[in-house]
Amino acid sequence: DAGITQSPRYKITETGRQVTLMCHQTWSHSYMFWYRQDLGHGLRLIYYSAAADITDKGEVPDGYVVSRSKTENFPLTLESATRSQTSVYFCASNFGTTRSDTQYFGPGTRLTVL
Amino acid sequence: AQTVTQSQPEMSVQEAETVTLSCTYDTSESDYYLFWYKQPPSRQMILVIRQEAYKQQNATENRFSVNFQKAAKSFSLKISDSQLGDAAMYFCAYRSFRDDKIIFGKGTRLHILP
Repeated sequence: DAGITQSPRYKITETGRQVTLMCHQTWSHSYMFWYRQDLGHGLRLIYYSAAADITDKGEVPDGYVVSRSKTENFPLTLESATRSQTSVYFCASNFGTTRSDTQYFGPGTRLTVL
Repeated sequence: AQTVTQSQPEMSVQEAETVTLSCTYDTSESDYYLFWYKQPPSRQMILVIRQEAYKQQNATENRFSVNFQKAAKSFSLKISDSQLGDAAMYFCAYRSFRDDKIIFGKGTRLHILP
């Protein structure tokens, strides 16, 4: 089915481990985004990408790495997970051809770092 | 930097009644977009309504409408004839014309009382 998917949906890991969250969209959207959602903070932008091989930092990028070798994929890597990175992570995308574009969100990944 | 404030962490409304969720924002820009997103227990982010700042007419989508006061930097959401399915977290969001990042408020949890 067309849309935006995230995997895994749930992940438990330990402090210091590397974790990669996957995001895949089938709309050929140019723009992709990673957010984290924490109680009391709403959604905060981690990184975004305007096109393949173009990425930029958002509000809270520290401790995260992204790549965009293909338009449809935008993985988010926690190089050395910390407990403060326990959160729900959302991927989003939009065409970006006009500023009125709606962002479409994936179902989210709940990450727990022990 | 732009900020979005939702001053009501939680609200309750009787089924079939009308409820208004508040949102204020701060920006020095004249052109931008404002959004209301709904997040039900499934965690999916769903766009409810969108408003272009250059439009004076308030956006409406079926039972959902906004009261956009540009000078006051206010963007409230009115839900008419509330239904049990409207129970969710609602996020107000701001998007600049200059870049593609969206800034979210911290959310308002809406309870619908049967």
